Amino acid sequence: EPEVTQTPSHQVTQMGQEVILRCVPISNHLYFYWYRQILGQKVEFLVSFYNNEISEKSEIFDDQFSVERPDGSNFTLKIRSTKLEDSAMYFCASSEPLEQYFGPGTRLTVT
Amino acid sequence: GQQLNQSPQSMFIQEGEDVSMNCTSSSIFNTWLWYKQDPGEGPVLLIALYKAGELTSNGRLTAQFGITRKDSFLNISASIPSDVGIYFCAGLMWDYKLSFGAGTTVTVRA
Repeated sequence: EPEVTQTPSHQVTQMGQEVILRCVPISNHLYFYWYRQILGQKVEFLVSFYNNEISEKSEIFDDQFSVERPDGSNFTLKIRSTKLEDSAMYFCASSEPLEQYFGPGTRLTVT
Repeated sequence: GQQLNQSPQSMFIQEGEDVSMNCTSSSIFNTWLWYKQDPGEGPVLLIALYKAGELTSNGRLTAQFGITRKDSFLNISASIPSDVGIYFCAGLMWDYKLSFGAGTTVTVRA
């Protein structure tokens, strides 16, 4: 069964460093998303991406964040200068367009 | 995002019992989705609801899309130990942004 995959599963970085989280969405899906979940809290929407551009973004998704689909299969989230409060699980999801399927997540720890 | 109120926050149940949880919102949604999340993993889609009043089953799971489009419930019948986890409701509007509830933590007593 097709699934969303994410790498790495765990990323530890120092405050101020740049990180890139990678996702491979389900191959025939057209809509891609990033969500985050701070430990013990609910999942929060960050950004949606369709037709090679951002379609919606939340107030969390400020200028430190960017997304890219560099080729036909990968979808990336870049955080330019990480802050302690960026520590969370980051989930990629994809859909066609209604049922969103989530990847296993990347646990980002900023020290 | 939109505010979803999910209840109960947690529940302890006996194996074999039926479980019920619900989600309400002040906003209208076009689609309701229910997910289950195990510790350290991503949410897994259980059921999707597309029309007001729709009742949909997936094995022992049954969910309904409220007729006001502002609420949904999920039932689990004859619970088993692997039903342990956190269940999230999520509402989808025209912009395809999912708004999640805070989750219901289910613990099953064997």
